[in-house]
Amino acid sequence: EAGVAQSPRYKIIEKRQSVAFWCNPISGHATLYWYQQILGQGPKLLIQFQNNGVVDDSQLPKDRFSAERLKGVDSTLKIQPAKLEDSAVYLCASSLGLAGLYNEQFFGPGTRLTVL
Amino acid sequence: KQEVTQIPAALSVPEGENLVLNCSFTDSAIYNLQWFRQDPGKGLTSLLLIQSSQREQTSGRLNASLDKSSGRSTLYIAASQPGDSATYLCAVRRRGDYKLSFGAGTTVTVRA
Repeated sequence: EAGVAQSPRYKIIEKRQSVAFWCNPISGHATLYWYQQILGQGPKLLIQFQNNGVVDDSQLPKDRFSAERLKGVDSTLKIQPAKLEDSAVYLCASSLGLAGLYNEQFFGPGTRLTVL
Repeated sequence: KQEVTQIPAALSVPEGENLVLNCSFTDSAIYNLQWFRQDPGKGLTSLLLIQSSQREQTSGRLNASLDKSSGRSTLYIAASQPGDSATYLCAVRRRGDYKLSFGAGTTVTVRA
């Protein structure tokens, strides 16, 4: 079974530039998550989708971050404009569902963003 | 708000020694707890998942215990090997909305 795919793996940009990350979850997984992991910290949830609807985006800085999951499969996370403090690893995860035995999350390799 | 703490932040042991990694959480109303491994530049790999009704889970050389009432979990790795060098993260899933809250991790180095 293929895992969660993410691209690009690495990205270096100047502050105030824009950047986009892509995620393709495990086939059949209805729930998709985007996390931000700053060096030395645990991942922090940015946004959670159930199919193509947003379940939770309470920690997404909406003035600069946006995400979509068209057709309920793959997803894109965008930052516009980027700030120095956005330097982090952006992890995508997916799970079969939200509740019960189906909410075990499987993570992709992440995209390491460096903002100069 | 759930706070998850992992102490120590880093650990270095000689090969063959048993590893003991600690995780504590402030809200005992959890649905389950999960231990992950993260290699440098990589994503998270799930090691063990313990449901709130369970006391422990085992997989090979790994054993994780859960004491919900005291807000603690311990991950034991027997007979450590250099390949066990990685960062180990603990995450608790909250009842109700099933959100995962992560600790900052313990970075383990096993010296050959």
